[in-house]
Amino acid sequence: SQTIHQWPATLVQPVGSPLSLECTVEGTSNPNLYWYRQAAGRGLQLLFYSVGIGQISSEVPQNLSASRPQDRQFILSSKKLLLSDSGFYLCACGDTQYFGPGTRLTVL
Amino acid sequence: AQKVTQAQTEISVVEKEDVTLDCVYETRDTTYYLFWYKQPPSGELVFLIRRNSFDEQNEISGRYSWNFQKSTSSFNFTITASQVVDSAVYFCALSDPYGGSQGNLIFGKGTKLSVKP
Repeated sequence: SQTIHQWPATLVQPVGSPLSLECTVEGTSNPNLYWYRQAAGRGLQLLFYSVGIGQISSEVPQNLSASRPQDRQFILSSKKLLLSDSGFYLCACGDTQYFGPGTRLTVL
Repeated sequence: AQKVTQAQTEISVVEKEDVTLDCVYETRDTTYYLFWYKQPPSGELVFLIRRNSFDEQNEISGRYSWNFQKSTSSFNFTITASQVVDSAVYFCALSDPYGGSQGNLIFGKGTKLSVKP
């Protein structure tokens, strides 16, 4: 079965600082990978998805970016964080969309 | 446009009561998937069930059961004999496997279930 790892688990960053969140997957090859964000008091929103190495699609305009340097690695980045980037970031895998444990990001 | 509505924002029950969480969806597609997830206080999203649009059979898994009715565009979730450990936020979601997002999930806003001892 698939296992999804995310790190860090929690992160507190100042406005304007860079960001790098990592997601890795075990137990499958060439999976579809997804980044979702859950803002406080709001539902989950798809940010990016990837169907293969180097293939990234964005669902919403924002100052975040994603990359997939390896088959089972998905990275979420920002050059300069905004207050509105605070939230709970979840990586998901495959058609069934199992989710990782998430990263809780607070931007101050 | 696709949409998922979970009209119940919060539900509170006493342990051993049965509880039904409602989910109504909108889609123009004939092929789609419906999901339920559980989000306990720790935050992780736990997959509960996936149902495709061609399978309207009800599903039962232990104390959990799901009622899928295409005629009313509903996919309701029932917990029988609820327990304190069932306390969580439950999300219903809809996906379009043939859409540009390769399975983008559209989530409802969630229903917070509190089960009191």
